[in-house]
Amino acid sequence: GQNIDQPTEMTATEGAIVQINCTYQTSGFNGLFWYQQHAGEAPTFLSYNVLDGLEEKGRFSSFLSRSKGYSYLLLKELQMKDSASYLCAVIDSNYQLIWGAGTKLIIKP
Amino acid sequence: GAVVSQHPSRVICKSGTSVKIECRSLDFQATTMFWYRQFPKQSLMLMATSNEGSKATYEQGVEKDKFLINHASLTLSTLTVTSAHPEDSSFYICSASSLQSSYNEQFFGPGTRLTVL
Repeated sequence: GQNIDQPTEMTATEGAIVQINCTYQTSGFNGLFWYQQHAGEAPTFLSYNVLDGLEEKGRFSSFLSRSKGYSYLLLKELQMKDSASYLCAVIDSNYQLIWGAGTKLIIKP
Repeated sequence: GAVVSQHPSRVICKSGTSVKIECRSLDFQATTMFWYRQFPKQSLMLMATSNEGSKATYEQGVEKDKFLINHASLTLSTLTVTSAHPEDSSFYICSASSLQSSYNEQFFGPGTRLTVL
């Protein structure tokens, strides 16, 4: 079967750095997304990785290792507004988007 | 660019009534639209995928006669929850993708919160 694993919840301090991990086992791979979702709102796009390595975009970076079936989202200089759920999603060989359950990130002052 | 709207944003209805939710891609042609449901503190659950002009493909366990999906044009898809019951209360989110998207990315609408009394 297809499976995406992320931690259910993480807590971090304002101004710090946090890394949210995602591991996947899917039938094929055509890319991996990270989305941010605030409570009661729809997901918003953060990043897309299809090749191995690190993609940096401002305070957020996303890393992919296809051989390990592993990705992480790195958030730097955390702000209170970063409190949200972070969803990892993988495009499989049929170009279907497989969603992880999401990681709820709690930022404390 | 790549804006998706949903209407209504919030709806409260009585048990047994039907509710229609519209999803529109405002500035691009959506070859494929997706309908998701999300219960509190849970992840997105894909209900169905629809391509313009063809019947929707429903995920296992989703009743096609209860959740009617119409994708009549490249910019509009509708989801009708028929004979709604309290257990249908949820956050319904649509998304749209385009063949022109370099990432095969889905663009999400703002969601519709349905409460069935």
